Amino acid sequence: EIVLTQSPATLSVSPGERATLSCRASQSVSSNLAWYQQKPGQPPSLLIYDISTRASGIPARFSGSGSGTEFTLTISSLQSEDFAVYYCHQYHNWRTFGQGTKVEIK
Amino acid sequence: EVQLVESGGGLVKPGGSLRLSCVASGFRVNDAWMNWVRQAPGKGLEWVARIKSKTDGGTTDYAAPVKGRFTISRDDSKNTVYLQMNSLRTEDTAVYYCQLRTPDFWGQGNLVTVSS
Repeated sequence: EIVLTQSPATLSVSPGERATLSCRASQSVSSNLAWYQQKPGQPPSLLIYDISTRASGIPARFSGSGSGTEFTLTISSLQSEDFAVYYCHQYHNWRTFGQGTKVEIK
Repeated sequence: EVQLVESGGGLVKPGGSLRLSCVASGFRVNDAWMNWVRQAPGKGLEWVARIKSKTDGGTTDYAAPVKGRFTISRDDSKNTVYLQMNSLRTEDTAVYYCQLRTPDFWGQGNLVTVSS
């Protein structure tokens, strides 16, 4: 099983600031890496797939990058609606998720 | 418009069984790869099971913790996907989501509580 490790567990950021979330895979996932956002009481919502492709309707302030085993989700200027938990997800070998990064208001 | 509506959750004793249903609209489950993903209270996401589209063979796959106990299936006439859960354990307590792979779409989730 491919293990995804996200860091940090919690990120405290002020509105308007940049947020950088990391995801490390225990082995290569090729380009099969996605990012989800989840708000309390809601199902996850797809932000990014194939490392860097934004899903339909996702604003340009969300961007993904990386390769192989190291990946990053960047939110360029945090808006109030962006405070949530973010999960990375690999679909290269079966499917696994990271443990999540909570982005909270500083 | 795609919709996924889950039902069938509830409280069950360890060792018991439940069947979750996911009624789809806006597409045919026959043509889709469908997943079940769960989330234990306050925890992260865990993929549980997958069924491929009919054209891709309709085969099923399971996560190791549920293999041999859970079964994913579909009824094309009802446009519904099921998750039959047997020999339930306390660690199976979670919100279970039905997910359409492409386009990515999730149901609202259904809580399953396994407790004596």
